[in-house]
Amino acid sequence: AQSVTQPDIHITVSEGASLELRCNYSYGATPYLFWYVQSPGQGLQLLLKYFSGDTLVQGIKGFEAEFKRSQSSFNLRKPSVHWSDAAEYFCAVSPNAGKSTFGDGTTLTVKP
Amino acid sequence: GAVVSQHPSRVICKSGTSVKIECRSLDFQATTMFWYRQFPKQSLMLMATSNEGSKATYEQGVEKDKFLINHASLTLSTLTVTSAHPEDSSFYICSARAGGASTEAFFGQGTRLTVV
Repeated sequence: AQSVTQPDIHITVSEGASLELRCNYSYGATPYLFWYVQSPGQGLQLLLKYFSGDTLVQGIKGFEAEFKRSQSSFNLRKPSVHWSDAAEYFCAVSPNAGKSTFGDGTTLTVKP
Repeated sequence: GAVVSQHPSRVICKSGTSVKIECRSLDFQATTMFWYRQFPKQSLMLMATSNEGSKATYEQGVEKDKFLINHASLTLSTLTVTSAHPEDSSFYICSARAGGASTEAFFGQGTRLTVV
């Protein structure tokens, strides 16, 4: 069965600083990989996804993620964080872009 | 992207009553829908997978008689929490996936259920 690990429960960065959120997955083959953002009391918004091809994927709101097969990782990055980026971030893996397994999430706090 | 609408967004019900949550795909036909539950400060846990016109497949530990799922059309799936109790209070989120070569499931906005 697939699994997802987000090692960082909570990350605090200063506004304007760079950000990297870690995600490691366990799956027998190359899965579909996703990053979602969730604001309090809200649903999920897809930031980006990886299926195949270029291992560096660009998403919305200036986010990008890099798939590294050798490390089973799919880390999310942003060069300059904005206060509005404060939220919960979930990495997810899916064998067929349907049923997803989510990590426990990383809470991002942005300091002014 | 495709839109999935979930209704209601919030509901409060009395213990022992049943609550129905709807998940609609507004601009595509969803052959498969997924229902997740999210407790406060926790991740999303898949409850069940429903395919249009067939019985839902429940994840281990999810009571199928308590969480009734119906996927009667290609645009609508419903989750009914029967005889709700305070421990059923949670955030329920659905996602919908079109068939064929679709590479993404789209999420609804979620429903906050509070059982008092």
